[in-house]
Parts: sequence; C-alpha cells; structure tokens
Amino acid sequence: DTGVSQDPRHKITKRGQNVTFRCDPISEHNRLYWYRQTLGQGPEFLTYFQNEAQLEKSRLLSDRFSAERPKGSFSTLEIQRTEQGDSAMYLCASSPRGVYQPQHFGDGTRLSIL
Amino acid sequence: TQLLEQSPQFLSIQEGENLTVYCNSSSVFSSLQWYRQEPGEGPVLLVTVVTGGEVKKLKRLTFQFGDARKDSSLHITAAQPGDTGLYLCAGFLSGSARQLTFGSGTQLTVLP
Repeated sequence: DTGVSQDPRHKITKRGQNVTFRCDPISEHNRLYWYRQTLGQGPEFLTYFQNEAQLEKSRLLSDRFSAERPKGSFSTLEIQRTEQGDSAMYLCASSPRGVYQPQHFGDGTRLSIL
Repeated sequence: TQLLEQSPQFLSIQEGENLTVYCNSSSVFSSLQWYRQEPGEGPVLLVTVVTGGEVKKLKRLTFQFGDARKDSSLHITAAQPGDTGLYLCAGFLSGSARQLTFGSGTQLTVLP
C-alpha cells in the first residue's frame, strides 16, 4: 500500500538558509495539500493543488514560501531565507476528486531552524 | 481564535474507562472528520460525518455530528493503551470543499 510519501523526514538548518521539501501523493489522487503543524496545535492549511494548478493559498504562505507541482504528480515546498518561526512539521496530504473527499496524510517533514 | 474548539485539551485515564472528546464551533461545517495522530507521524483518518445528527460507530469508538452541523463528539468505550494519541477534529466550512480546518486536538493517554 503506497501512501503519501514525504522527504526528508527531518531537516535541520541555520537561519537564513533555503530548504526544499518533496511530497509524493497517492498515485491516483489529483488533489494535493500542504499544511504546517506546530507543537500542541492542529495542522494549518497552507496551499492546495488540483493537478498542476495551485488553486488556493493561505495568508500564512508568505513571499518566502513557494510550492510547485509541475507535472501534476509530486510537489515541492520551498522556504527561502528561513526564520526561527518556520520551525514546524510540514505535512502533505492528497485526495481523489469529488466533494468532501477525505485527505490522506504523509508523515511530514520536521524542520528545525538553528 | 480557533474556528474549531476541542475539549479537553489533555486527558489521562485508566485502561477500561470511558471518555468523550468534544469539538465545537460557531460555524456550520459541510462535513467533519476525526483523525488520530501519533508522535512523528501524520494524522490518520478515523471517520467522516456528513449529515446533521449522524452517528457512526467504529468498534469501540462512536462519533456524532450535531444536528446543526456545528459540533461533534467522539466517545471511546473501555479505553485501551493503544488508543493513546492526539485526536483531531477537522471540517470543511460550508462553501469550502477543499480547505480543511483543524481543531487544536485532544491528547489522550490511556494508562495500563
């Protein structure tokens, strides 16, 4: 059973560096989501793709954040000039087409900014 | 301000006890989902409820969606240590079919 896969699982970097995370969704799912989760909180929506089109972006997604899904399969989330406040778990989820479909989550990338 | 308020935030009980976790909002949700999350892992879907007043059972877990679709509850009967985890409710606000809004979660610990 191939679920949602995220890489890397952990990333430690110095403040000011750029980082990129990858998400491979469930193959037959055309919808892909990115969330951010900080300790003691539920996930917060960042952005949503349907196939290769980025259709929604949260106000949480500052100019330093960019997400792509070039061929409608895997997605990348890049954070430029990282800040202390970027430390969090970054979760990817995917779902099939259809209304109110459940989202299937990967195990996330934990980012720590030194 | 959280759109979905969960209570209690923390719950520690003995094996065999029953418990209820609540998820409340002043907003109407088109559907609501419950997830369980373990440390270092992503949330895993337990159930989706769509209709106001709907009740769903999953073994020892009973989920209810409020009549007005603004609240939900999760009841666990005879809790076991394997039930330990972070329980999250999440919903689609009316008019939004893509963006899931999560509560802050209830951390449940079941002691043997």
